[in-house]
Amino acid sequence: DSGVTQTPKHLITATGQRVTLRCSPRSGDLSVYWYQQSLDQGLQFLIQYYNGEERAKGNILERFSAQQFPDLHSELNLSSLELGDSALYFCASSLLDSMNTEAFFGQGTRLTVV
Amino acid sequence: TQLLEQSPQFLSIQEGENLTVYCNSSSVFSSLQWYRQEPGEGPVLLVTVVTGGEVKKLKRLTFQFGDARKDSSLHITAAQPGDTGLYLCAGSNFGNEKLTFGTGTRLTIIP
Repeated sequence: DSGVTQTPKHLITATGQRVTLRCSPRSGDLSVYWYQQSLDQGLQFLIQYYNGEERAKGNILERFSAQQFPDLHSELNLSSLELGDSALYFCASSLLDSMNTEAFFGQGTRLTVV
Repeated sequence: TQLLEQSPQFLSIQEGENLTVYCNSSSVFSSLQWYRQEPGEGPVLLVTVVTGGEVKKLKRLTFQFGDARKDSSLHITAAQPGDTGLYLCAGSNFGNEKLTFGTGTRLTIIP
């Protein structure tokens, strides 16, 4: 158990819908990172928050957004869903503003868009 | 964009054999990490290497960071079925410290 909790574990929804994925970081960790893992693209960095503020952006679509709340949990919002958004979405956390030394991943949310 | 290519993409070997997985890039990284991911789980960190030429051992696993910090290898001796999984390398650079993941090597150890 990494200490990073993601809910829900599985999500099936229709095209055009909106979903929210939730992540609770390890106790004490200030950084949260979101990654998307698909079969053809591997693990792709989406966005990072550190202590409530957006710190880095990767290949995140405009239809996607995220935030980190005062209690440090984070939510990833995916809207106007398309079939191609089906993937595993992982959250990772680290103590510092860096994954340079150690980061811990949650078990992921498997999103299926039908 | 920094890319990390892993080879081979798939590897299936008998229990007890040795194997090496490679992670290559044209870019320099300040550090490189290796993860193992099992089905239905998130990646789990195995090791971090930060110095060119560095070698780290974790039981039967030996990790090496290239002298130029552009490549890395993972060597497993006497592979066991429990080693089965997706092995991912990931690099980062100071000032841009999110991880860039490699393409992955899916390893299957046959009992």
